[in-house]
Amino acid sequence: NAGVTQTPKFRVLKTGQSMTLLCAQDMNHEYMYWYRQDPGMGLRLIHYSVGEGTTAKGEVPDGYNVSRLKKQNFLLGLESAAPSQTSVYFCASNKVDRVYGYTFGSGTRLTVV
Amino acid sequence: AQSVSQHNHHVILSEAASLELGCNYSYGGTVNLFWYVQYPGQHLQLLLKYFSGDPLVKGIKGFEAEFIKSKFSFNLRKPSVQWSDTAEYFCAVSRLGGTSYGKLTFGQGTILTVHP
Repeated sequence: NAGVTQTPKFRVLKTGQSMTLLCAQDMNHEYMYWYRQDPGMGLRLIHYSVGEGTTAKGEVPDGYNVSRLKKQNFLLGLESAAPSQTSVYFCASNKVDRVYGYTFGSGTRLTVV
Repeated sequence: AQSVSQHNHHVILSEAASLELGCNYSYGGTVNLFWYVQYPGQHLQLLLKYFSGDPLVKGIKGFEAEFIKSKFSFNLRKPSVQWSDTAEYFCAVSRLGGTSYGKLTFGQGTILTVHP
């Protein structure tokens, strides 16, 4: 049981380049989330999804797009990367019940130069 | 919008000292509360969580936390820290009902350094 898998683990981009981060979960969770972690700011929610084909904005959505075409996958896209998007990105998934079973991925460290 | 505040940015202790990390949140409704730990270079791991019932929650590695509803607080404690507890600790809150969808709001994090 792999849980939540994020790819890639590390990436360096030049300003203006685009890329897609992949999050895959094998626990049949309905909810999936993308967070970014920055020093002194904790984790902040970028986008989330409550089911296949649905997405919604979180706290800091600007500059990012997401898609949930399959239940197990949640993609985070950067169309034109900026240095301000240098961060560690975490994906998480969760069950649809009151006893939340949050599971985090191992993170993607992205540097935009 | 709800917010979570962790009062200490960096705490430095010697081994065997007692630990208490403060966490306050702003949401007035029913919440679920969490403490996560992040060891250097690793992802977040759940230390403990509170959903309902006994406000004193025990977690892994000897950690515990107390939910005080009247103070909107969920402080993390450990009687005797070890060098291996060196990590960053995050408090998180999820409100229940409506369109919450299990979204977590995190505090800023507290870096704990334990000297041998």
